[in-house]
Amino acid sequence: DADVTQTPRNRITKTGKRIMLECSQTKGHDRMYWYRQDPGLGLRLIYYSFDVKDINKGEISDGYSVSRQAQAKFSLSLESAIPNQTALYFCATSDMASGLYNEQFFGPGTRLTVL
Amino acid sequence: LAKTTQPISMDSYEGQEVNITCSHNNIATNDYITWYQQFPSQGPRFIIQGYKTKVTNEVASLFIPADRKSSTLSLPRVSLSDTAVYYCLVGDFRYSSASKIIFGSGTRLSIRP
Repeated sequence: DADVTQTPRNRITKTGKRIMLECSQTKGHDRMYWYRQDPGLGLRLIYYSFDVKDINKGEISDGYSVSRQAQAKFSLSLESAIPNQTALYFCATSDMASGLYNEQFFGPGTRLTVL
Repeated sequence: LAKTTQPISMDSYEGQEVNITCSHNNIATNDYITWYQQFPSQGPRFIIQGYKTKVTNEVASLFIPADRKSSTLSLPRVSLSDTAVYYCLVGDFRYSSASKIIFGSGTRLSIRP
């Protein structure tokens, strides 16, 4: 969805480096999410934020941190990247006002490789 | 934690109706059933959501029996562009229980000419 953008789209880094993935949205949604997807597998929730002051851990938060700088921006950081964090990372947004409580809008993804 | 079970893969042909069934035996009272579609290297796309009985939109129908322990996504007259992975999710993103919603491995649907 073009209203949800992620930068960078591809990133190769080395073990131990700090890296930040950024997500921006123009949909005006209050809720934002970070997922990772490993090859052939489904998505796993890392962190989610219901508003700027509300951040929650997901299924696999260890090794990751997030920052909700504004309603439209949600960043994911890997403080010290390790090879098993190599994956496809997706940001998503949702709007509880829509009535479709489980409808999320996903960005194009960031392919991260940790060497 | 509402776990879902769905077939790993399915094959069909253009023009056919495809039904993908998802089992969710321990669905909670407040849980909704949601289906997503994902193409390679793209983020999932919402298809449909339901709570009970039948829901229909412009792309699919969702059938949910009275006990809500399973659900069936129905895709009418599929085309090659429907080849994708389909995920069944159970839960309710309204609350902090969003952390309990699992995408799983999905069903890989392949459509042939």
